[in-house]
Amino acid sequence: IAGITQAPTSQILAAGRRMTLRCTQDMRHNAMYWYRQDLGLGLRLIHYSNTAGTTGKGEVPDGYSVSRANTDDFPLTLASAVPSQTSVYFCASSDGAPEGGNEQFFGPGTRLTVL
Amino acid sequence: QKEVEQNSGPLSVPEGAIASLNCTYSDRGSQSFFWYRQYSGKSPELIMFIYSNGDKEDGRFTAQLNKASQYVSLLIRDSQPSDSATYLCAATTRGQAGTALIFGKGTTLSVSS
Repeated sequence: IAGITQAPTSQILAAGRRMTLRCTQDMRHNAMYWYRQDLGLGLRLIHYSNTAGTTGKGEVPDGYSVSRANTDDFPLTLASAVPSQTSVYFCASSDGAPEGGNEQFFGPGTRLTVL
Repeated sequence: QKEVEQNSGPLSVPEGAIASLNCTYSDRGSQSFFWYRQYSGKSPELIMFIYSNGDKEDGRFTAQLNKASQYVSLLIRDSQPSDSATYLCAATTRGQAGTALIFGKGTTLSVSS
């Protein structure tokens, strides 16, 4: 059982390039989330999806887009990367919405550096 | 802007002591609250959640919620060096596409042996 996988593990990217971070879960969870974590700023929600086919914006959505074509996959795309998007990106999933006390399970993270 | 506030620390306690971690939130509509632990270089993992006013105990951990004061805390009894980590408080918030979590910046706990 893999749980949540993220790819790549790390990436160095030139500014202006397009990049897609991949996230796949095998737990058949309905909800999925993308966070970025920067030193001193904690986890900040980028986008989320409470069910396949729907997505919502989080705290810091600018410069990022997501799609949720199926239950298992939730890719995050940076259309034109900028240095301020250098961060550790975590994908998470949960069986249902958090208001029901549903635990979010986190992937191992992707360390992205934009030069 | 909906926010979850935590003291960044570091909070230092000796082994065997009680560690007290605090959190306040701005969204009065928040219904459920979570505490996650994150070791350096690792992913966050859930310790416990609480949604009713009062205390909730799980082993050495006790979460406390006071919705009137918009205050959540986590007590760790008999602190161990293995408890040294960053503790993240999170609150539910209603967005355009349903409910999500807003996290605080985390409190770093150091337990000395």
